Amino acid sequence: TQLLEQSPQFLSIQEGENLTVYCNSSSVFSSLQWYRQEPGEGPVLLVTVVTGGEVKKLKRLTFQFGDARKDSSLHITAAQPGDTGLYLCAGEIRTYKYIFGTGTRLKVLA
Amino acid sequence: GAVVSQHPSWVICKSGTSVKIECRSLDFQATTMFWYRQFPKQSLMLMATSNEGSKATYEQGVEKDKFLINHASLTLSTLTVTSAHPEDSSFYICSARDTAGGNTGELFFGEGSRLTVL
Repeated sequence: TQLLEQSPQFLSIQEGENLTVYCNSSSVFSSLQWYRQEPGEGPVLLVTVVTGGEVKKLKRLTFQFGDARKDSSLHITAAQPGDTGLYLCAGEIRTYKYIFGTGTRLKVLA
Repeated sequence: GAVVSQHPSWVICKSGTSVKIECRSLDFQATTMFWYRQFPKQSLMLMATSNEGSKATYEQGVEKDKFLINHASLTLSTLTVTSAHPEDSSFYICSARDTAGGNTGELFFGEGSRLTVL
């Protein structure tokens, strides 16, 4: 069974702090995506990484795909209350088919 | 970006009844759609892959007779929860891929449908 483990599961930090969320698996993925989900809504895509070692930046968010394409990280600099939400990684296990990670629930306090 | 719409957003039903949830791609055609289930404060669990014009592919442990999927057109997939019971209460989310015109196949998600079975 393919599994994507995210850590930490929960994170509560003060505004302005930095944080990193990890997404790990023993499986190799052809691509990996990060999503953010608000309560009662569907996930919204943040980024897709495809190449091992790839780093992508989206304003204060930095995403990295592991060299072996088995893991990824999301780093947020100077977190803001608007960053609060459920962060999900999703690995592509077959063409266009993704499995989702266990999720990281982030709360940023003002 | 592309839009995927689900209906209804909320549904409350009595135990034993069947409930149909629709997933529509509003501005693109989707030969493949995916159905997920999400329990409170948990991640998304892939239930099945809905293929236009053919049978859905179900993930291990998902009862195909319980969760009927129909993908009759390139813009509509439906999930019917048959003989619903309280344990079927959950947040159901669909996604669809836009692969036309060389698009990368980004997954677009619906808003989700919250089912509560009394």
